[in-house]
Amino acid sequence: EADIYQTPRYLVIGTGKKITLECSQTMGHDKMYWYQQDPGMELHLIHYSYGVNSTEKGDLSSESTVSRIRTEHFPLTLESARPSHTSQYLCASSDHGAGELFFGEGSRLTVL
Amino acid sequence: KNQVEQSPQSLIILEGKNCTLQCNYTVSPFSNLRWYKQDTGRGPVSLTIMTFSENTKSNGRYTATLDADTKQSSLHITASQLSDSASYICVVSDRGSTLGRLYFGRGTQLTVWP
Repeated sequence: EADIYQTPRYLVIGTGKKITLECSQTMGHDKMYWYQQDPGMELHLIHYSYGVNSTEKGDLSSESTVSRIRTEHFPLTLESARPSHTSQYLCASSDHGAGELFFGEGSRLTVL
Repeated sequence: KNQVEQSPQSLIILEGKNCTLQCNYTVSPFSNLRWYKQDTGRGPVSLTIMTFSENTKSNGRYTATLDADTKQSSLHITASQLSDSASYICVVSDRGSTLGRLYFGRGTQLTVWP
């Protein structure tokens, strides 16, 4: 069982609100990722981090931002949510050498 | 263009039956291929990961095969159970960077009926 946790699991908010999706892992992994997944579609990488104070944008353009102040914590923030941000957000981490991805349970965001 | 294609898109089988899911990829250079199981509303969970030199790998009732020459992989599920109902995702990693970029398929949605 992977030790990576996401909160909240479900969130329904109104347009224009600021939200932060939390992701924490207790495995000491250097690499962490945020993916966006819509029903029936493949996962798209929106942010990743090699370690503390390292963040990069992924393949899919996203208006969200991330930070990596601590190894175990990789939160994602949307300053002003819009209905187009409605999606499932999955956080993952991997060991530097092994490459296997461990996913959290996901945060399903609905913006009205 | 690096791609991962999975077939079928969806599949319904009866409990106890076997099934095989397919994954074709064009990713190059190739590093490894992974199969994940994703239950509805949950995060993906790793089933197998295979490198270039591995032809087959088993994890309980799940057996994955890899033909790196034809760039094809399959996931065989034996004696299916209701709990096997999920989306099965094929993911291919390249060697193009230290990060090992991942290419995701759209998944095969498997439904097991009693």
